[in-house]
Amino acid sequence: DAGITQSPRYKITETGRQVTLMCHQTWSHSYMFWYRQDLGHGLRLIYYSAAADITDKGEVPDGYVVSRSKTENFPLTLESATRSQTSVYFCASAVAGDSEQFFGPGTRLTVL
Amino acid sequence: QKEVEQNSGPLSVPEGAIASLNCTYSDRGSQSFFWYRQYSGKSPELIMFIYSNGDKEDGRFTAQLNKASQYVSLLIRDSQPSDSATYLCAVRNNNNDMRFGAGTRLTVKP
Repeated sequence: DAGITQSPRYKITETGRQVTLMCHQTWSHSYMFWYRQDLGHGLRLIYYSAAADITDKGEVPDGYVVSRSKTENFPLTLESATRSQTSVYFCASAVAGDSEQFFGPGTRLTVL
Repeated sequence: QKEVEQNSGPLSVPEGAIASLNCTYSDRGSQSFFWYRQYSGKSPELIMFIYSNGDKEDGRFTAQLNKASQYVSLLIRDSQPSDSATYLCAVRNNNNDMRFGAGTRLTVKP
């Protein structure tokens, strides 16, 4: 089915480990986004991408790396996970930068 | 000061009443304004968007924008228990950077 998916849905890791969260969309949307959601902070933009091979920092990019070699995929990597990166991560896609964003189901990441 | 501010609530209204959700933003250059609904444990979904000053109505929902006051609101008429959720205000500035408020939790009591 068409849509936006994230994997894994749940992940527990340890401090210092590298973790990659996957995001895949089947709509061929140009824009893709990564957010983290923490209690009291709402959704905060980590990185976004306007097209393949184009990425830009959002509000909280430190400690994260993204790539977008294909339009449909937008992986997020935590190169050395820290406890402060424990959060729920949402990927989203949109036709354009100012259009409706469609969110994936989220990944709950716990860093011990 | 946060860029997008919302009252965290909880806001409790009886079934059938009007729920009024408010949001203020700090960036005067903001262009687009969105309201998302998020049920507990689920992902956000768009309710409404508004670009111009004034009111925009869609069914039971009305979004109101006042750029001079940097204020956007969402009215839900004839509130239903199924409207119980967290409502997120989102503001897009000129560089496609979307900023979300922390959300207002709404409870509609039968």
